[in-house]
Amino acid sequence: DVKVTQSSRYLVKRTGEKVFLECVQDMDHENMFWYRQDPGLGLRLIYFSYDVKMKEKGDIPEGYSVSREKKERFSLILESASTNQTSMYLCASSLPGRTYNSPLHFGNGTRLTVT
Amino acid sequence: AQKITQTQPGMFVQEKEAVTLDCTYDTSDPSYGLFWYKQPSSGEMIFLIYQGSYDQQNATEGRYSLNFQKARKSANLVISASQLGDSAMYFCAIPLGSSGSARQLTFGSGTQLTVLP
Repeated sequence: DVKVTQSSRYLVKRTGEKVFLECVQDMDHENMFWYRQDPGLGLRLIYFSYDVKMKEKGDIPEGYSVSREKKERFSLILESASTNQTSMYLCASSLPGRTYNSPLHFGNGTRLTVT
Repeated sequence: AQKITQTQPGMFVQEKEAVTLDCTYDTSDPSYGLFWYKQPSSGEMIFLIYQGSYDQQNATEGRYSLNFQKARKSANLVISASQLGDSAMYFCAIPLGSSGSARQLTFGSGTQLTVLP
């Protein structure tokens, strides 16, 4: 089974702090994604990566950056955390190639609170 | 404009009965797929079922089936013989973009299903 591991289940940070959310997958997937989930809004794509050192903006990239130095690891960075970034963050990975029927495999999520 | 719509924020169903969760979408892609995910209160997202736009028959996976109506751009999830463990948030999702090798899934806002004993 694919395993996607997010380093923290819960995080509490202060406004202005730099925050790192880490995600590791063990199935050699090329594609990795960061979503945030808010009530009533579903999941919204922040950034994704289709290869090492490659990244693309999703629907809501403002206030975030990402890093993909190794294939198995995809980090989400909040350069200066703000209270409106309080949310559940979900990392996912998927099979390589333009396979439109490849499901995403998700981690368990990181619930971030910015005070 | 919203590209994928789930119009039922919350649904209730009696245990052992069937329930249909609605999903409509808008895409100009000639070929696409539609996914359904389940998210229990623990937070993990569990892939349930998939159907491609050119599949002739509606997909089924155990108690889950898709009522896929391509002309109406709807892909409703049917859960038969509901169980208490089916209580969860359900999301439909469709690829609405691609870059490199990545198909980006766009998710609906979700339907919270509660199964009553």
